[in-house]
Amino acid sequence: SYELTQPPSVSVSPGQTARITCSGDALPKQYAYWYQQKPGQAPVLVIYKDSERPSGIPERFSGSSSGTTVTLTISGVQAEDEADYYCQSADSSGTYPAVFGGGTKLTVL
Amino acid sequence: EVQLVQSGAEVKKPGESLKISCKGSGYSFTSYWIGWVRQMPGKGLEWMGIIYPGDSDTRYSPSFQGQVTISADKSISTAYLQWSSLKASDTAMYYCARPRIGEREYYFDYWGQGTLVTVSS
Repeated sequence: SYELTQPPSVSVSPGQTARITCSGDALPKQYAYWYQQKPGQAPVLVIYKDSERPSGIPERFSGSSSGTTVTLTISGVQAEDEADYYCQSADSSGTYPAVFGGGTKLTVL
Repeated sequence: EVQLVQSGAEVKKPGESLKISCKGSGYSFTSYWIGWVRQMPGKGLEWMGIIYPGDSDTRYSPSFQGQVTISADKSISTAYLQWSSLKASDTAMYYCARPRIGEREYYFDYWGQGTLVTVSS
C-alpha cells in the first residue's frame, strides 16, 4: 500500500517557525492536505490542495509542495498550535484515495 | 452550519455486533459522500470507506473490505458503520467525516466528534 512519511516530532519555541514535512512518491501528481488534531478532539483541516487555507484558519499556517515532499509551515508559532499534524493524499492508482501520514507531534517549548 | 453528530461511546465483548451512527445536518445529506476514519489508541488516522447517501454507492479501503459495513438512511440523514463480530483489535476512536471529492481532490472538510468503541472481555 501507499505510504506518506512524516517526522514523528518537531519542537520549536514560541514565535519561531515550525516546518513539518511529508514525503510520498505520488505527491507530484496528487494534492496534499493537512489536519491539526489536539488531544481529545477531532481533526481539523488546516491546508487543502497543497497550499490553500480554509476560512477561519490563521494566516500563520501555510503549505507548499516541491517534488515528492510537501511542507506545512507555521510562522510565529503559538502555544495553542501544539498538536498532532497529519498530512493526507492519494496514491496514483486510485486504490487508496485517502492515505494519511503517520502524524507529527508539534511541541511548543 | 454543517454538523456531523455521532452516537455515544460503546463497550462491547468480542464476538458481539455493533452499529454506530453519524447524523448530518446543515447541508444536503444526499448530495455529498460521507466516510469513516479509524484512530487506534495512540495511533494515526486510517481511511475506512465512504458512502454516497443519494444512491448508496459504497467504496471501501482494501484494508477494511469485508471487515465492516458502511450504510446510510437518507430519510434521517444518518450514516452507519457496523461490525458483525467485534474483535479486541477493533478498539479505537471512529470518526465520520465528509469528503470533498473531485479531480485530484479528496479531503475531509467536516468531521464528527468521534465514537469510542472499546472491545474487551
